[in-house]
Amino acid sequence: KQEVTQIPAALSVPEGENLVLNCSFTDSAIYNLQWFRQDPGKGLTSLLLIQSSQREQTSGRLNASLDKSSGRSTLYIAASQPGDSATYLCAVRPRNSGGYQKVTFGIGTKLQVIP
Amino acid sequence: EAQVTQNPRYLITVTGKKLTVTCSQNMNHEYMSWYRQDPGLGLRQIYYSMNVEVTDKGDVPEGYKVSRKEKRNFPLILESPSPNQTSLYFCASSLQQGLSPLHFGNGTRLTVT
Repeated sequence: KQEVTQIPAALSVPEGENLVLNCSFTDSAIYNLQWFRQDPGKGLTSLLLIQSSQREQTSGRLNASLDKSSGRSTLYIAASQPGDSATYLCAVRPRNSGGYQKVTFGIGTKLQVIP
Repeated sequence: EAQVTQNPRYLITVTGKKLTVTCSQNMNHEYMSWYRQDPGLGLRQIYYSMNVEVTDKGDVPEGYKVSRKEKRNFPLILESPSPNQTSLYFCASSLQQGLSPLHFGNGTRLTVT
């Protein structure tokens, strides 16, 4: 059974700092890994999607890496801003022989960027 | 605009009163799914659908029903809501293929008293 862990559960940093969020998963047979952002009481906004054949994806100040063999992904946020404050979730989509792919989510890392 | 639309955004009801939360997507996605999100438990899948008339249980299906009569719509039905179904609910969709990303609705905050 796929398990996804995100560490730390919460993180507080001063504005302008670069930071790394971690996501680990137990089964490396995946199609892709997706990073989301969630503001309090709101929906999930997709940030980056990394296919299993890729090592990293970049969007603006965000860079996500994937090391499938070790079951790890990191989300790097450069020059953090107060507007980056949110909960960040990673989700893994498994590769299997059946038609159904059950996406497994981590519980998330709650980020606070202090002005 | 490509989107997943859930309604209502907020719902307060009483125990036992049947309710339906609607979900609609305009991206011609085959796959649709319902999740509930609770503090400390993360997102847990309730039901999913691989295509029209094809649905199956997720991790926490008890107390819920779904139907997929049209490709774009995937309503979540609570026949007899109970207080333990108070939660934040999300609908999501994607193309069938495993490589495609999940798209989420904005969520429905349900309170059952």
